[in-house]
Parts: sequence; structure tokens; C-alpha cells
Amino acid sequence: KNQVEQSPQSLIILEGKNCTLQCNYTVSPFSNLRWYKQDTGRGPVSLTIMTFSENTKSNGRYTATLDADTKQSSLHITASQLSDSASYICVVSGVDEIQGAQKLVFGQGTRLTINP
Amino acid sequence: GAGVSQSPSNKVTEKGKDVELRCDPISGHTALYWYRQSLGQGLEFLIYFQGNSAPDKSGLPSDRFSAERTGGSVSTLTIQRTQQEDSAVYLCASSLNRGRGYEQYFGPGTRLTVT
Repeated sequence: KNQVEQSPQSLIILEGKNCTLQCNYTVSPFSNLRWYKQDTGRGPVSLTIMTFSENTKSNGRYTATLDADTKQSSLHITASQLSDSASYICVVSGVDEIQGAQKLVFGQGTRLTINP
Repeated sequence: GAGVSQSPSNKVTEKGKDVELRCDPISGHTALYWYRQSLGQGLEFLIYFQGNSAPDKSGLPSDRFSAERTGGSVSTLTIQRTQQEDSAVYLCASSLNRGRGYEQYFGPGTRLTVT
């Protein structure tokens, strides 16, 4: 069964600190892995997208890693800011073999709270 | 340019009533997706449109759920005889095409509460 599991479920850190969020997946075939940030009351917004051949990608203070062999990804946030408080969702894209359509499998997300 | 928009942003309805949720995708995006996000759950795929046709309806949880898309643009998700377990945020996303690597852009969602 295609699944994406994230840890921790929630995390509270102080402003300025770093943190790392984890994502393990069993989606096959694998197309790409994305990290989304979802602010309360908003739709998810893409942070990074990595294909099989990429093992790291940065977007400002966000750095995502991918180990396609172990099917693990992480999202590292450096020098956290209050505005980083949000849910971070790991999404793995497979391809529907019949329809050829992109099928996204979503993790449950990590709720990150940055305290001043 | 304008992003994906959804309406209403919030909907409270009584159990047993029908509701319609609307999605306006980004202009020119041929692929449109509906997802449901229940409290404490990950996003759940409901249905996918390519143009006006829906090649993948596998995520619709019951026959009370249906969706249509007209003119390759606006889509409506209809839930008949709503139940309390239908309470969730319904998210719509669109992408330029359906293949791998095409970014899906999400709308802000419609929060549905069934009382």
C-alpha cells in the first residue's frame, strides 16, 4: 500500500533554532517528493520538489534531502522565524500506470510551532 | 496572476442537506484535483479531471459524492445527504497538465461543517 509517514506529529521550538522534520514513504513507482507548507486556513504551498536523482534541494532557509534507497526524506529549517509556524506536509508522487496521471500520496503533516 | 479560488470559504449545513462546493482553477490548467482534509488526517484524494472528463474517481468515498467540470474550467463538487463525517476541509488543486513533474497549485479550501 502506498503510504507516507511523517514524524514528529508536532514540534515546538524557540525562534532562531533549527529543526528537522522526517518523512518515510512506500510509494511505488516513485516520481518525485515534495514538501509543502500549509498555513492555518490556507491551501498547501510547495517548498521543494525532488526527483529520484536529486538528494538535496534548498529554498532559502529550507533544505530538503532525499534518500531514494531507504525511501526517506527530511526537511531542515534553519534559523526559524515565527512565520515558519505551520503544518509541513510531505507528498510523494507516483504515476498511475493506467491513466498516466500524477497521483499524490500525502503524509499527515508535522505541526510546527515557533515560540518567541 | 490569479491562483486557484474556491467558494464558499466556509459552509455550515445540517445533516441530510446537499451542498455544492466550487473551484476555479488557474486559467489554462487542464488538470484539476479535489482533495479532502479531515481533522488530524492527511489530504485524501477524491477525484481528478483532465479537461471535462474524470478518468480517476477512485477517491470518492460514496455515491453521495459527485463532481463535474464544465468548459475545462470551473468544477463543482456536490455532496448529497450530508453526514457528520463529511465535515472536513475540501481542497481543490490545478496543474498545467496531468503528467509527472507538473506542479499542483492549491486553493484555500472550503471548510465544511455538518451539524
